[in-house]
Amino acid sequence: GAVVSQHPSWVICKSGTSVKIECRSLDFQATTMFWYRQFPKQSLMLMATSNEGSKATYEQGVEKDKFLINHASLTLSTLTVTSAHPEDSSFYICSASLSPAGYGYTFGSGTRLTVV
Amino acid sequence: GQNIDQPTEMTATEGAIVQINCTYQTSGFNGLFWYQQHAGEAPTFLSYNVLDGLEEKGRFSSFLSRSKGYSYLLLKELQMKDSASYLCAVSNQAGTALIFGKGTTLSVSS
Repeated sequence: GAVVSQHPSWVICKSGTSVKIECRSLDFQATTMFWYRQFPKQSLMLMATSNEGSKATYEQGVEKDKFLINHASLTLSTLTVTSAHPEDSSFYICSASLSPAGYGYTFGSGTRLTVV
Repeated sequence: GQNIDQPTEMTATEGAIVQINCTYQTSGFNGLFWYQQHAGEAPTFLSYNVLDGLEEKGRFSSFLSRSKGYSYLLLKELQMKDSASYLCAVSNQAGTALIFGKGTTLSVSS
């Protein structure tokens, strides 16, 4: 149980275009979803916290107009990288907290974004 | 501020035991997690400690001392497939995002 499905698993796009990444909770309701970014050989850096039905909370240094987060339902959160540039190339992972129903966190399988 | 420290790299041989340390300073504490991550994949849950002491699960054990802000992950009978990055992460508060350390890359050789 507690599976988060993340799509696409990889995407290549041209500079200046936008890319949407979806995370869907399959068997539970994810009130809160977290979005992380991971550069090569580095750890997961929290980008934003997404709450269903309200605006996302962004971490310091993350441009909210560039990384658009939508959490319109209890089972779907999306991250759109707008006007992508090569420096946005990274591994993006979503995660959901299982609290208060349980403890721990479940992760999506990640999206490898390459901007050319 | 929030700070989680762990060694960047470690090496070991097959069959050996390795201990990966993690120290943390966070504004709150609701548990410490260890994850294994292979390159290009999502993290895989290994262990969770919220009370002081040792949690054992097969070849993996994790220890926590809240007063010292310290944890370690112990891997026994190392196998080549254990070569991966090991991430220490702290939960400040139930339902909030995990804060990750930079990760320890473990290389196991024969």
